[in-house]
Amino acid sequence: GEEVAQTPKHLVRGEGQKAKLYCAPIKGHSYVFWYQQVLKNEFKFLISFQNENVFDETGMPKERFSAKCLPNSPCSLEIQATKLEDSAVYFCASSHRATEAFFGQGTRLTVV
Amino acid sequence: QQQVKQSPQSLIVQKGGISIINCAYENTAFDYFPWYQQFPGKGPALLIAIRPDVSEKKEGRFTISFNKSAKQFSLHIMDSQPGDSATYFCAALISHGSSNTGKLIFGQGTTLQVKP
Repeated sequence: GEEVAQTPKHLVRGEGQKAKLYCAPIKGHSYVFWYQQVLKNEFKFLISFQNENVFDETGMPKERFSAKCLPNSPCSLEIQATKLEDSAVYFCASSHRATEAFFGQGTRLTVV
Repeated sequence: QQQVKQSPQSLIVQKGGISIINCAYENTAFDYFPWYQQFPGKGPALLIAIRPDVSEKKEGRFTISFNKSAKQFSLHIMDSQPGDSATYFCAALISHGSSNTGKLIFGQGTTLQVKP
């Protein structure tokens, strides 16, 4: 597609439940990135992929967060045992050359 | 050293005026500096970007000025319009060699309001 497609738009989970977010990158883009936006402004890098390979995972809280980009499937970000502080908007972005990143509309996760 | 500092936090400009947002960085390895525009409830949209070998880049009403020695760059929005009201983020990344992982370091954001 011509834009990064993220689903769902909104997700509500009880504390301790699992949350799974999906991202379909722009066709032809081989890089995928996940960012977390909290408090409306602060962006935190989570992880990047080059095709199905993890490129940079320095931002991932590894205990509960995991991500995959498998061939012919949307990329996914999964949070096991969600906590209140996981409430944020999660953005996926894709890029052709790991520079110009194009962002999706985000998934708003609310943990109650 | 990985931080990008952005100011001001908020800005109010009259229609037709010039909006100026500033950013500063420490890591001299950064070599790609994009600006993103974000409307409420939407994802950030790439507006304009610059590399440090250029001191200025202009696209329509948007201009980036870059000062490599001061490690500062700024976004100028000429003839600001109410439709420009949004949050603007500067960012930086290392685009060369093995350090290029596409990891963007974002500034704190500037909320711009253009009054009619």
